[in-house]
Amino acid sequence: DAKTTQPTSMDCAEGRAANLPCNHSTISGNEYVYWYRQIHSQGPQYIIHGLKNNETNEMASLIITEDRKSSTLILPHATLRDTAVYYCIVSRGLTGANNLFFGTGTRLTVIP
Amino acid sequence: DTAVSQTPKYLVTQMGNDKSIKCEQNLGHDTMYWYKQDSKKFLKIMFSYNNKELIINETVPNRFSPKSPDKAHLNLHINSLELGDSAVYFCASSQATPGSGYTFGSGTRLTVV
Repeated sequence: DAKTTQPTSMDCAEGRAANLPCNHSTISGNEYVYWYRQIHSQGPQYIIHGLKNNETNEMASLIITEDRKSSTLILPHATLRDTAVYYCIVSRGLTGANNLFFGTGTRLTVIP
Repeated sequence: DTAVSQTPKYLVTQMGNDKSIKCEQNLGHDTMYWYKQDSKKFLKIMFSYNNKELIINETVPNRFSPKSPDKAHLNLHINSLELGDSAVYFCASSQATPGSGYTFGSGTRLTVV
């Protein structure tokens, strides 16, 4: 079952940074934080993941607090195509049990 | 090339029928999954499978069965379809190493009438 809490929805102006928060206060030491998004009923798309350190890739940055109880996904320059539901997930990612349990996510709307 | 492909994309069928949805991945991943997304948009895992073990979500009816002819394929068979089975079904794959991301297919919209 999902072990994260996220705001139900957020708006962001096009071209501005979108900061999506996630609380995972019961995360254990060997659990990763994953972010996925789902654009209008397409298959979920992997964005980024991290364990302890902040991470950055071509899509986004992931900031994880020092106590690992919360994180923020940052889309540096949001575009209209970033409108989607964003899911924050914690998982141990073990062999054969990589199961990702999706919560309700945050519906991000990028406004022109 | 599509990394995870599902067929068919749409499937409309009558109650009581038996149907299959196919999934293939060309990523060399060793673990594959099936997810169900209902009308309320909740994504729920149904199965995870690699060549060593099948893990079944206990809430999945035994009318649903995954079948894997080889590492690159995980098909979903559904017997005696019910109205409540109407949903979008997503296949996914990953490498069985900690921290591996999942790659999802584009989904199969099943409508039972």
